Amino acid sequence: EVQLVESGGGLVQPGGSLRLSCEASRFTVSSYAMHWVRQAPGKGLEHVSAISSDGGDTYYATSVKGRFTISRDNSKNMLYLQMGSLRAEDMAIYYCARGYCGSTSCANQIFDPWGQGTLVTVSS
Amino acid sequence: DIQMTQSPSTLSASVGDRVTITCRASQSISDWLAWYQHKPGKAPKLLIYKASNLVSGVPSRFSGSGSGTEFTLTISSLQPDDFASYYCQEGFTFGPGTKVDIK
Repeated sequence: EVQLVESGGGLVQPGGSLRLSCEASRFTVSSYAMHWVRQAPGKGLEHVSAISSDGGDTYYATSVKGRFTISRDNSKNMLYLQMGSLRAEDMAIYYCARGYCGSTSCANQIFDPWGQGTLVTVSS
Repeated sequence: DIQMTQSPSTLSASVGDRVTITCRASQSISDWLAWYQHKPGKAPKLLIYKASNLVSGVPSRFSGSGSGTEFTLTISSLQPDDFASYYCQEGFTFGPGTKVDIK
């Protein structure tokens, strides 16, 4: 079964940094765009960032632009999210998800599968 | 940017009930709409893509319809495993979600 497993979440102080990782198994990430989606406590799903299959194109939500960096290592079948200048409003469960196509944005934009998520807590 | 709305935000229902959730887009999105089911502590699950296409393995009691700006997700006979939150999505935008709980 195709699977994504996130790691790297934890407690960080406001202004701090954290690096999330997402390991893919039973499929090759190099064929797909990959995405990060988060859910803050009591809130809905929010798309955070995307990266194209070759890593040449990236997308960031306005709320994280300039603070977060998405990257991938196709040789390791891994996706990453480097988060900096963290704020209380960044506290959430972060999910990685596979996109339908190779580019960051396409008409039939669907996310499948998703990982179980990793919790990021921002607090002093 | 396209905005997505969903109604209702919360829905109380019983096992066996027919349940309908509505999703509206602020402008026409053709049929580029997906639906997800999300349970606490679990990975969100894709149910329907391109408005009405059921993902392989998803029970046939789930169905989707609509095009343009108005879409619906219907569960024909609610089962205990269906109590969850449901989200519509187009592009990078998710609807605010509908929580289906036990009446």
